Amino acid sequence: DGGITQSPKYLFRKEGQNVTLSCEQNLNHDAMYWYRQDPGQGLRLIYYSQIVNDFQKGDIAEGYSVSREKKESFPLTVTSAQKNPTAFYLCASSTQQNIQYFGAGTRLSVL
Amino acid sequence: KQEVTQIPAALSVPEGENLVLNCSFTDSAIYNLQWFRQDPGKGLTSLLLIQSSQREQTSGRLNASLDKSSGRSTLYIAASQPGDSATYLCAVRPLGAGNNRKLIWGLGTSLAVNP
Repeated sequence: DGGITQSPKYLFRKEGQNVTLSCEQNLNHDAMYWYRQDPGQGLRLIYYSQIVNDFQKGDIAEGYSVSREKKESFPLTVTSAQKNPTAFYLCASSTQQNIQYFGAGTRLSVL
Repeated sequence: KQEVTQIPAALSVPEGENLVLNCSFTDSAIYNLQWFRQDPGKGLTSLLLIQSSQREQTSGRLNASLDKSSGRSTLYIAASQPGDSATYLCAVRPLGAGNNRKLIWGLGTSLAVNP
């Protein structure tokens, strides 16, 4: 199946812990994105990458980090500096026309 | 600053009804506009993309229109079905954003189609 795979589906973080969310795509897309979705708020862009080995901060990058060592993979690390990490995290990739394809999401909660 | 608004926030209709969802944006300088569907607890699915030079796009029972000068787009759903129940989001790609392909998102309209 072609698409975007996010794992895990549910993740729990202890205070002071860093956690990493996985995002893999086999669509051969250059651009990839990480969004955060909270109830009552629109999707907010955390980081995006237009090409391998390059990434840019989005609107709410503080407390997060990413890497883009391979075209297929764009993992997001939620660091201990992110004080309110509970949210639904969505990864996406896009075509040249910017049609965005989304993964199924990871729901992160704090223990 | 580009802002995207979707009205109404929630809508409940009986099955079979034709319905219209609205999306407005404050800056007409856009590259394109997209409509997405999100089922509860799931990711988003792209439904239709309208380029700034286009007036409408159709896919099955869905028709999206774009009036760039007035900053409006509508998503028309014909003969609604319970399976259409979901949240519908619109997003615009602003002009002048370089090649970063960032989107500006509305909050969505939560649609319930009742059998």
